[in-house]
This record gives sequence, C-alpha cells and structure tokens, in this order.
Amino acid sequence: SAVISQKPSRDICQRGTSLTIQCQVDSQVTMMFWYRQQPGQSLTLIATANQGSEATYESGFVIDKFPISRPNLTFSTLTVSNMSPEDSSIYLCSASEFNEQFFGPGTRLTVL
Amino acid sequence: GNSVTQMEGPVTLSEEAFLTINCTYTATGYPSLFWYVQYPGEGLQLLLKATKADDKGSNKGFEATYRKETTSFHLEKGSVQVSDSAVYFCALPRNTGNQFYFGTGTSLTVIP
Repeated sequence: SAVISQKPSRDICQRGTSLTIQCQVDSQVTMMFWYRQQPGQSLTLIATANQGSEATYESGFVIDKFPISRPNLTFSTLTVSNMSPEDSSIYLCSASEFNEQFFGPGTRLTVL
Repeated sequence: GNSVTQMEGPVTLSEEAFLTINCTYTATGYPSLFWYVQYPGEGLQLLLKATKADDKGSNKGFEATYRKETTSFHLEKGSVQVSDSAVYFCALPRNTGNQFYFGTGTSLTVIP
C-alpha cells in the first residue's frame, strides 16, 4: 500500500493569506486527489491532481481559490488562496492504487 | 450515480458491547465496498473491504458482508474496546474515475 505524508500537519493562518500544502507518496501512483473535511463532516472531493496537466475540479471548487500542482507521479501541492475563516478544515491528500484509496494524515488549517 | 447512506451518529457504547453501523449503497453494477476509520487527530485508514457480492471483509475484529439483496454493507464488531473510538466511513468508487464517494461518517465513542 502507498504511504502518504503531508506538510504541514497543522497551521494557523491570518485571513487573506495563502497556504501551500505538500503531499508526498512513497511510490509512483497514477491518481492523486485532494479532499476537504470540514469540522464534523464527511469528505468532499476538491479536485483530481493530474500529472503534467491542469487539475480537474469538482463543482464548487475553482483553480483560482485552490491551485494544484502535480509535477510528477509522487508529489502534489494544494494551495488555499486568500483564506477566510470558512476555509478552516482538514485537507487530505489521497492516492488511488489497485482500486483502493490511501490517505495522508491530513493538514489541519485554522484561519483567524 | 453511485452513493452510500450511512447511519447517523454519534454512537456511544460501553466496552465489550456489540456494534453495528449501518450502510446501504446505490450503485451501477457491483463495485467494491469499503469501510474507513479515522482515529482522533489522524487521517483515514482502510479498515476492511469486500470486492464482490457475499464477500465478507474483516480486520481487527470488525466484519462487514456485501449483501446485494439488501444493498447493504453493515459494519459489526462483537465486543468493542475503548481504542475503537473513532469515526467510521462507508465508501465506494464513483461511477467514473478512481474517486470514492464517502458516507457522512459515524462517530463511535466507547466508554470503559
């Protein structure tokens, strides 16, 4: 199974600033995804991170707010731009392999 | 499209009690079904899965049987422990792509 790490594990940010979250997988994977988990809620898919091309965003999420990079098959970043308190959530990176999804430990973001 | 409906929580049980968390699904065909667990402060971990009808997934004393007659995949454990306190998510792949659809999550608290 793929082992996924994320940095930072948590952060407290000021309104209007941006934060970039890094996701590293210990093996090459075809599919990587970014999810948001708001307090007490289930997971909501933000986008599929495509290697070498623009990410595919779900309804309600846009590239200007959540730019994503995927320079290779083991690494991706998610930026949360121009943050507001409503962006306070856990952001989870995941990878799909052999019809299973594996998750990173998450990044806990608090926006003041 | 594919979806799951999961029992609402929270659930509070005494140690050694029997646990059932209900999950029903709607799907095209017979996709694999999954249960994920999220321990406090951590990301999601795969708990168990079943890949076809009548399959039983099991891990750490938890079991779930893929029942196509009732379109269900209920999670059970005969004797819960305090360490089982977590949030449990039922999940299945979406119709297209490798993304997963997650249930709303059921929070379990086991008291000594």
